[in-house]
Amino acid sequence: AQKVTQAQTEISVVEKEDVTLDCVYETRDTTYYLFWYKQPPSGELVFLIRRNSFDEQNEISGRYSWNFQKSTSSFNFTITASQVVDSAVYFCALRPDRFNKFYFGSGTKLNVKP
Amino acid sequence: GAVVSQHPSWVICKSGTSVKIECRSLDFQATTMFWYRQFPKQSLMLMATSNEGSKATYEQGVEKDKFLINHASLTLSTLTVTSAHPEDSSFYICSARDSPYGYTFGSGTRLTVV
Repeated sequence: AQKVTQAQTEISVVEKEDVTLDCVYETRDTTYYLFWYKQPPSGELVFLIRRNSFDEQNEISGRYSWNFQKSTSSFNFTITASQVVDSAVYFCALRPDRFNKFYFGSGTKLNVKP
Repeated sequence: GAVVSQHPSWVICKSGTSVKIECRSLDFQATTMFWYRQFPKQSLMLMATSNEGSKATYEQGVEKDKFLINHASLTLSTLTVTSAHPEDSSFYICSARDSPYGYTFGSGTRLTVV
C-alpha cells in the first residue's frame, strides 16, 4: 500500500520562529520519489522539492530545509525564521517510480502570525 | 520551466448543467495528463489519467459518465462535469508530465454548483 501521513493538521507560529512539518510515508517500492508542495489560498500547487529514494542527502534552500530518513520513512520540512508569506497549506506526496500517480498527504496548514 | 494552464480559474454553474475545464501544456507536449479533485480542507485525490488519443483511466469510485475526459491533442486535456450537482462543487486541478521525473500542476479550477 502507498500512503502519506501528515499528522499535523494545523500549526500556528509567530513570525521568525522555526517550524517543522512532519511527513511519514509508506511504500514497499524500492524506487520512489518524495515531494513537498505549497498551496497558498489561491489554490495553485507550488513545487518545493523532489527527492528520490536513493538520495538521502538533506537539502537546504534558503530558509527551507528537508530531512529525508529512510530508516524512519520520514521526509520532514523545516522553515527557518518563518514569515507571514509562508502561510499556506503544505502537502507531502509520494510517487512510486512504477506509477504516474501521486499519493498526497492530508496537508498541514501553516499560519504564521506577525 | 514547464507551464500548465488551466481554465477557467473558477466557475459557478446551475445544478443540472455541464461545465468544461481545460488543461493546456504551454511549452511542452504532454501525452499524459492527470486530473485531481480536492474537497475543502482535504487532500488531493487522483480522479483519472488522461492519455492522448485513447480513453482515460479512471480511479476506483470515479464515475466515468459524469466526469468526461478528452485528450484530443498533445497539449490539451478537458474535463467535463456533466449534470453537475452541488456535491460536485470542489477544486479541480490538472497535472502533466513534463519530463521523466517532473510533473507540473495547473493553477486549479474552483467549481461551485448552485
